Amino acid sequence: DAGVIQSPRHEVTEMGQEVTLRCKPISGHDYLFWYRQTMMRGLELLIYFNNNVPIDDSGMPEDRFSAKMPNASFSTLKIQPSEPRDSAVYFCASSPFRGVGTDTQYFGPGTRLTVL
Amino acid sequence: GIQVEQSPPDLILQEGANSTLRCNFSDSVNNLQWFHQNPWGQLINLFYIPSGTKQNGRLSATTVATERYSLLYISSSQTTDSGVYFCAVEKGWASNTGKLIFGQGTTLQVKP
Repeated sequence: DAGVIQSPRHEVTEMGQEVTLRCKPISGHDYLFWYRQTMMRGLELLIYFNNNVPIDDSGMPEDRFSAKMPNASFSTLKIQPSEPRDSAVYFCASSPFRGVGTDTQYFGPGTRLTVL
Repeated sequence: GIQVEQSPPDLILQEGANSTLRCNFSDSVNNLQWFHQNPWGQLINLFYIPSGTKQNGRLSATTVATERYSLLYISSSQTTDSGVYFCAVEKGWASNTGKLIFGQGTTLQVKP
């Protein structure tokens, strides 16, 4: 299995530009999670999907952030317009369903975003 | 919300030494996972352990849910064990959604 795939691995953009991060979860996993990691706030859950449906987006910082999962093998996290404070590493993770809920979460390599 | 506290925040070991990392949480949990983030930033799941004890090679973990803590044991540490160890939990009693809250991590450095 190729694991969770994220692209791009690095993104440098200017303030005000639109940024799109991409994720391909592990095949057969029912859950997909988007996280953000910064030195100040650590690892934070932004949004998660179950069977392609967004379940909880309470961690999305503001309306500039949006996420979609059009099918079981692809998800995007979009920031429009981007701001310097959005600079962080963004991780995607997926998890299978097991009995009463989710199981082990498998993380992608992350996208390091720098907004100038 | 639920609080997750990890200790110690930093740890330096000589290769071959053993160590214990602790994770305390402030409420009942139905989902607890330990992760290792290597120096290149990759997050690797070590254990899914809402209760009980598990072992995987030189690593083992124990969660005592009733007392709201989990321990990660590293035996015969190697330089490749260096990195940050995270504990993550989800509050609840029954089914879990995977909505994990991460602790701040323990940064481990193993010296040769």
